[in-house]
Amino acid sequence: GDSVTQTEGLVTLTEGLPVMLNCTYQSTYSPFLFWYVQHLNEAPKLLLKSFTDNKRPEHQGFHATLHKSSSSFHLQKSSAQLSDSALYYCASNSGGSNAKLTFGKGTKLSVKS
Amino acid sequence: EAAVTQSPRNKVAVTGGKVTLSCNQTNNHNNMYWYRQDTGHGLRLIHYSYGAGSTEKGDIPDGYKASRPSQENFSLILELATPSQTSVYFCASGEGGPPTGQLYFGEGSKLTVL
Repeated sequence: GDSVTQTEGLVTLTEGLPVMLNCTYQSTYSPFLFWYVQHLNEAPKLLLKSFTDNKRPEHQGFHATLHKSSSSFHLQKSSAQLSDSALYYCASNSGGSNAKLTFGKGTKLSVKS
Repeated sequence: EAAVTQSPRNKVAVTGGKVTLSCNQTNNHNNMYWYRQDTGHGLRLIHYSYGAGSTEKGDIPDGYKASRPSQENFSLILELATPSQTSVYFCASGEGGPPTGQLYFGEGSKLTVL
C-alpha cells in the first residue's frame, strides 16, 4: 500500500527564517499529494494540494512542488511567522478510484521570536 | 463551510465496556472516515465508507467496527474497549477520489479507557 514519510518530528525555527518540511511518498500509482495543518486544539484542515499539470500550489505563503523523480512534496515558506506554529501532515491519495487518504506521522513546527 | 460534528467530545470508559463515537456531516459527501491521532503515529485510518450501507477497513481496523446507516451519519464502535484505544478520534467527510481528495474534519473526540 501507499506510505508517506515525514522525517522530522519537530522543527524549531526563529521567526523570519525559511521553512522547509520534508515529505516523501511511496505509491503503486501516481498519487495526489496534500499538506494539512492542525493548530493546537483544532481539527486538521487542508493547506494545499498538488495539481495534475505541474503547477505549484500556494496558500498563506506556503508552497510545495511535486517531484515525481524523487517522490517528494516538501512544504516551503520563505519567512516563518509565529502563527505558523502547528502540526503539519503530508498525505497521499492513492489514485484510481480509491478514496483512501494516507497520512504521514506529522511534523510539529515551532516558531519562536 | 463544510460541517462535521462529533459526539461525544470527551469520553471516559472502562476496560471491557462498549463505546460508540458518532459523526454527522451536513455536506452531502459520499465518503466518511474515522482516524485516530497519537503522538508519534500521526493520523491513522481505522474505517471508511463510500456511502450509506458501506464500510471498508482502513489500516488499523482491529478492535473497531463501523456503521454507516445514512449519508449523514457514520459511527465507530468499540465493543470491548481497551486502554490501548485511549486516543483522540477524528471523523472526516470528503467528496473522495482523485484529484479532489480534500477531507473536512470534525473537532475530535478524546477517549480515555481506564
